[in-house]
Amino acid sequence: EDQVTQSPEALRLQEGESSSLNCSYTVSGLRGLFWYRQDPGKGPEFLFTLYSAGEEKEKERLKATLTKKESFLHITAPKPEDSATYLCAVGGGADGLTFGKGTHLIIQP
Amino acid sequence: GAVVSQHPSWVICKSGTSVKIECRSLDFQATTMFWYRQFPKQSLMLMATSNEGSKATYEQGVEKDKFLINHASLTLSTLTVTSAHPEDSSFYICSASPIGRGEQFFGPGTRLTVL
Repeated sequence: EDQVTQSPEALRLQEGESSSLNCSYTVSGLRGLFWYRQDPGKGPEFLFTLYSAGEEKEKERLKATLTKKESFLHITAPKPEDSATYLCAVGGGADGLTFGKGTHLIIQP
Repeated sequence: GAVVSQHPSWVICKSGTSVKIECRSLDFQATTMFWYRQFPKQSLMLMATSNEGSKATYEQGVEKDKFLINHASLTLSTLTVTSAHPEDSSFYICSASPIGRGEQFFGPGTRLTVL
């Protein structure tokens, strides 16, 4: 059974203060690791897909990396609009996703 | 691209009634769609996998007779909550994978409240 653990549960940063979110996973075989952003009362918004250890993806102030046991979402010089819950999930293709509980990120101006 | 819509966005119903939720992929085709449920302050939990033209696959603990899923075309899946009860109140979210791609794109969700 796939398992995903995210840390920290909540993170409060000042605007411009860079940090990283962690996602540890246990799978029988990795089909894909996914990062999503979810705003309150909305569906998750797709950010990144990672398929193999060593892979990195970037989008604006976000960068996702992957090892054989965990993934990191690095946030560089965040802005208040980056405040959201960030979800990590494994699975993909014809299979549903197994999600972690998420990291609730607050960026204070 | 990769837009998924859901309708309705919210619904309030009386206990014992049935509610249908539609999920559409607007700019791509998907042989597989998924239905998730999210309770307050919790993460998404997969309920079922919906395959076009065949029966849905339900996760352990999800009653298939209560949550009826139909995937009639490559762009439409429906979830019907039959004989809804207050404990079925939740945020229901669908997702779809474009053919040949691994990632899932999510709809905006449907907030169901059963009185």
